[in-house]
Amino acid sequence: DAMVIQNPRYQVTQFGKPVTLSCSQTLNHNVMYWYQQKSSQAPKLLFHYYDKDFNNEADTPDNFQSRRPNTSFCFLDIRSPGLGDAAMYLCATSRGVFANTQYFGPGTRLTVL
Amino acid sequence: GIQVEQSPPDLILQEGANSTLRCNFSDSVNNLQWFHQNPWGQLINLFYIPSGTKQNGRLSATTVATERYSLLYISSSQTTDSGVYFCAVDEGGSEKLVFGKGTKLTVNP
Repeated sequence: DAMVIQNPRYQVTQFGKPVTLSCSQTLNHNVMYWYQQKSSQAPKLLFHYYDKDFNNEADTPDNFQSRRPNTSFCFLDIRSPGLGDAAMYLCATSRGVFANTQYFGPGTRLTVL
Repeated sequence: GIQVEQSPPDLILQEGANSTLRCNFSDSVNNLQWFHQNPWGQLINLFYIPSGTKQNGRLSATTVATERYSLLYISSSQTTDSGVYFCAVDEGGSEKLVFGKGTKLTVNP
């Protein structure tokens, strides 16, 4: 009954080697979010899609890109991962209307060597 | 932007004890959620509670919107309750959430 699915759960990449994380949802929600969470910190929003409308946070580095080819899928691309990009990456969804609940996937833990 | 403060930052309990976690926020909100982040990193929805009181088993939550705080009560705690509890509120009525820094709960057997 998984509602928000993230793949892979663990990803190891090398410094500077592009990596793509994926998220899919079965909730048919309008909004999909990508958060970065570093150790012992709160999740930090990177960007979100409201349908096809992309909303980037002002402090999200250019190194991070996202694609949402359809309602169900959303991808996070890290073009040139640095050691500081090692973190848990969390995908979430919501209906996006007034007073909506966000539902999170299990996360992808990224290691950069 | 809206500020979210959680207290205490750390809490250590013996199994069976009760606890209260607090979340203060600096502006009116349309959305307030409590999450439990388990040791594997997944954020689990506990409550959607912008106002009022809700209960789910040993957990309950109360939000007093006029006074801008929310409380999460855990009764008869179990070791599986360990983890980090986050409070998150909407930013300016948008679809975005702003998270507090969390309360790390450790329940010892």
